[in-house]
Amino acid sequence: SQQGEEDPQALSIQEGENATMNCSYKTSINNLQWYRQNSGRGLVHLILIRSNEREKHSGRLRVTLDTSKKSSSLLITASRAADTASYFCATGAGSYQLTFGKGTKLSVIP
Amino acid sequence: KAGVTQTPRYLIKTRGQQVTLSCSPISGHRSVSWYQQTPGQGLQFLFEYFSETQRNKGNFPGRFSGRQFSNSRSEMNVSTLELGDSALYLCASSLAGTGADEQFFGPGTRLTVL
Repeated sequence: SQQGEEDPQALSIQEGENATMNCSYKTSINNLQWYRQNSGRGLVHLILIRSNEREKHSGRLRVTLDTSKKSSSLLITASRAADTASYFCATGAGSYQLTFGKGTKLSVIP
Repeated sequence: KAGVTQTPRYLIKTRGQQVTLSCSPISGHRSVSWYQQTPGQGLQFLFEYFSETQRNKGNFPGRFSGRQFSNSRSEMNVSTLELGDSALYLCASSLAGTGADEQFFGPGTRLTVL
């Protein structure tokens, strides 16, 4: 079953704009991770935020976590055409598995 | 360091056959997990192995099985293939274990069942 649900399912923006994706989950977590997948390929890890953290940055990425609302957001600033991909949130809850959402498909138009 | 490798990359089988997929983790990683990705169900967890022990299994029928060897390489097997088994099968490795730290994914094996 899917733990995380990303919103929106698809997002289309112009190059240079910011992109924001949201993720909601249902149960308690140890950490929340974001991954990127280019069409039909393997996933690439972007960032991991632990349940006791509220915000984390990595380059043009900013992730927030609100455990009271069971939600997270991923912000990509100054987007580039190369950011076109599907983005997934995944939750780790100490059970030796990651539970993924269905993803947000981001299209960045040059 | 070499990344996670999966073989074969593409596979075409017919219903009723069985298939074995292979995954070589990053050197030093002892945790290997497997996922099935389909357009309808998304990414679904299959199982996780750590030092040759299966620590967790997802909600899949017994036709799906796996194992891990002493060198951390892992294989998964699907017997009596069904059309619905057509999917991208992804393997991931990590140091501390699935769900505890970042996972490094392989490129996947695209299985088509005819």
